[in-house]
Amino acid sequence: GENVEQHPSTLSVQEGDSAVIKCTYSDSASNYFPWYKQELGKGPQLIIDIRSNVGEKKDQRIAVTLNKTAKHFSLHITETQPEDSAVYFCAALGAWNNDMRFGAGTRLTVKP
Amino acid sequence: EAQVTQNPRYLITVTGKKLTVTCSQNMNHEYMSWYRQDPGLGLRQIYYSMNVEVTDKGDVPEGYKVSRKEKRNFPLILESPSPNQTSLYFCASSLSGPPNSEKLFFGSGTQLSVL
Repeated sequence: GENVEQHPSTLSVQEGDSAVIKCTYSDSASNYFPWYKQELGKGPQLIIDIRSNVGEKKDQRIAVTLNKTAKHFSLHITETQPEDSAVYFCAALGAWNNDMRFGAGTRLTVKP
Repeated sequence: EAQVTQNPRYLITVTGKKLTVTCSQNMNHEYMSWYRQDPGLGLRQIYYSMNVEVTDKGDVPEGYKVSRKEKRNFPLILESPSPNQTSLYFCASSLSGPPNSEKLFFGSGTQLSVL
């Protein structure tokens, strides 16, 4: 089955700097890669996603890149703000099943 | 407001005492799922349901039961809870489930402690 690894587990940046979180997956047939943001005391919320037929997707300060050959994808947050502080999860969905596999999460802290 | 509602938010119980965590969604979603979140392990799927009366095991189903008698409700049942089931639990739903509809809407979570 699919296995998703996420790094780093914790990340601290200064406000205004960029943050990058990386994930690798094992199943080359996986074709959907979402990123979820979990704020304190709340459930995860989808912030951006990418499909395997696209290499990059942007939404304002957030972007996701996908390298199918290397089987890794990354979340990029530019001009970070304190409200970006949260736990971020990557996930991968295989093409042949209904099981969304999540990474272990990255706790991002943006210092004012 | 479209949402997934879980109850209770916090639950402390003792080993062996049966409990149920409720989950309800008001978006007419066909797909519902339960996850547990543990430090360093991320979110792991317990059970999921593609539609009414259709349920399947996820990665970590041992010690859990679910039912889907109505489209909006998907309760999680622990018949005989054990301390290793102490965790943060999330219910989620999506319109029709993967692979056609992948975006998951999560509830606010249930923190369960089994003593």
